[in-house]
Amino acid sequence: KQEVTQIPAALSVPEGENLVLNCSFTDSAIYNLQWFRQDPGKGLTSLLLIQSSQREQTSGRLNASLDKSSGRSTLYIAASQPGDSATYLCAVTRSGYSTLTFGKGTMLLVSP
Amino acid sequence: NAGVTQTPKFQVLKTGQSMTLQCAQDMNHEYMSWYRQDPGMGLRLIHYSVGAGITDQGEVPNGYNVSRSTTEDFPLRLLSAAPSQTSVYFCASSYIGLADYEQYFGPGTRLTVT
Repeated sequence: KQEVTQIPAALSVPEGENLVLNCSFTDSAIYNLQWFRQDPGKGLTSLLLIQSSQREQTSGRLNASLDKSSGRSTLYIAASQPGDSATYLCAVTRSGYSTLTFGKGTMLLVSP
Repeated sequence: NAGVTQTPKFQVLKTGQSMTLQCAQDMNHEYMSWYRQDPGMGLRLIHYSVGAGITDQGEVPNGYNVSRSTTEDFPLRLLSAAPSQTSVYFCASSYIGLADYEQYFGPGTRLTVT
């Protein structure tokens, strides 16, 4: 059974710092990995999707990398801002299916 | 283009009552799914569908029924609500058969069972 772990569970940083969120998964037979953002009391917003054949994806200040063989992904946030405060979730899909297996998330607080 | 919509936003039920959580998408996605989100447990898959007339169970299907009569709609039925079903429910959808399986989520339904 696929298990997804996110470390750290919570992170508090001052504005302007560059930071890294970690995601690991136990079964390397994934089709893709997706990073989501969830604001309190809200739904999930997709940030980046990395297909299993890719190594990284970038969107603005966000960069996600994938090392499928070692079962790891990182989400890099450059020059963090208070508006980045949210819970960040990592999820993987199995080959041939779209069902997502989620980690429990990293709760990020960026203080001014 | 409304994306994925869910109704109601909030609901309080008494134990034993039944209800249907509605989910609709206007993106012509074949794949739709329901997740529940609980503190400390993360998001867990309840049921999913890969097209009209095709559904399957996820990780936590007990106490829930689904059907998919159209591409657009995927309702989730609670047959006899229990306090253990107090949760936030999310519906998601995506295409199948393309390289990009990005999933889109609805805003959620907060359900309390007393």
